This record gives sequence, C-alpha cells and structure tokens, in this order.
Amino acid sequence: NAGVTQTPKFRVLKTGQSMTLLCAQDMNHEYMYWYRQDPGMGLRLIHYSVGEGTTAKGEVPDGYNVSRLKKQNFLLGLESAAPSQTSVYFCASSPGGVAKNIQYFGAGTRLSVL
Amino acid sequence: DQQVKQNSPSLSVQEGRISILNCDYTNSMFDYFLWYKKYPAEGPTFLISISSIKDKNEDGRFTVFLNKSAKHLSLHIVPSQPGDSAVYFCAASKNNNDMRFGAGTRLTVKP
Repeated sequence: NAGVTQTPKFRVLKTGQSMTLLCAQDMNHEYMYWYRQDPGMGLRLIHYSVGEGTTAKGEVPDGYNVSRLKKQNFLLGLESAAPSQTSVYFCASSPGGVAKNIQYFGAGTRLSVL
Repeated sequence: DQQVKQNSPSLSVQEGRISILNCDYTNSMFDYFLWYKKYPAEGPTFLISISSIKDKNEDGRFTVFLNKSAKHLSLHIVPSQPGDSAVYFCAASKNNNDMRFGAGTRLTVKP
C-alpha cells in the first residue's frame, strides 16, 4: 500500500544547480499536484495536472517546471535553484470526480538551496 | 495574500476534553472545506470535509462546523486523545484545482 511516493526525501543544492523531484502514485489517480510548505505558511500550490500529458500553473509556479508523461508520475523540475526555493515539497494525488477535493499526500522532500 | 487563516499556531488540551481548532477565510467563492492532519515526517492526511451547502458534518469524534456568514469554520475533537497530537491544516477550495491551505495549528493532547 505505497500510495504516493516522493524521491528523494532530502536534498541540498548549490545556487544555480538543477534537479528533478519525482512523485509516483499507485492509486490510478487522474489528478496530481505539487505544493511547497514554508514556515508560518500553509501549503501553496506550484503546479498541477488533471491527467496524463497535461499540466497547469498553480499559485506559485515561477522557477519550476513540471511534466506528466505517465499517469502515475509527476515530475517537478528546478532549472536553476535559488535560496528562495528552500522549502519542503509535497506531492499529492486525487481520484477526480466527486472525490477530487480529497488529496492524498506523499511524505515530502526537504530541499535546501545554499 | 492568505485567503485561509489559522490564527492559533498551537493549542494544548487535556486528554478527554474537547479540542476546538478554528479557521477563517476571506474568499466567499470557496465552496468546499477540508481539514487535514499531519504527523512529523509524514504528509498531510485527509480528516474531514464539509460542503458550503451544509453547516455541520460529523465523523466519529470529529465534527466540522461552517458559518458562512462569518466565513469561519471549526473542527471539534471530542474526546481528545494523545494520538490526536499533530498539526491540523484547514483548506478551502473554490474549484477543485485551486485549494488554499491555512498555516496549521499544532495540537498537543496531554495525558
């Protein structure tokens, strides 16, 4: 019963480096989301996808790109990391239909950009 | 601009007593509200939700109340148990792809 799996769990980057965060879900969910959580703030939506091959911008998309080439995977890319992107990143998925609002989250990726 | 606010960063209650967590929102277009619970080193997990057409939803020890005129919702946990100690996030949605979260309230239930 894996649910939503995020890799890696921790990462330290230098300013200007690039990396990709991987999210995988085994629940056959249509919708997938990437959030970031910063101290004193709620989770903020970066990008989301309503199905394989689709992506859309959320509340704070700048500096990130995403891809959903397979239904079960949603990748979050940082092309040139900045210290402001130090955060905890959460991936989530939801089944769609009447249960769209209920999202299932991964355990998070803690990213530090020096 | 924070459209969903949880003004109490922390709350401490005694085991067996009631825990009341509060949440305020500013956008009257929100039509669905949720509470998530988060333990350390884990992702948030869904707890309970309520549609804007209702004013109360109950699930076991958990009840969510919605006051649309005041743009306020609350989560009641009765009786509180030590295992309820976690961070609770309030969330609101105005369409299913635009969910806004509060900053969370850390609940500590003392034995």
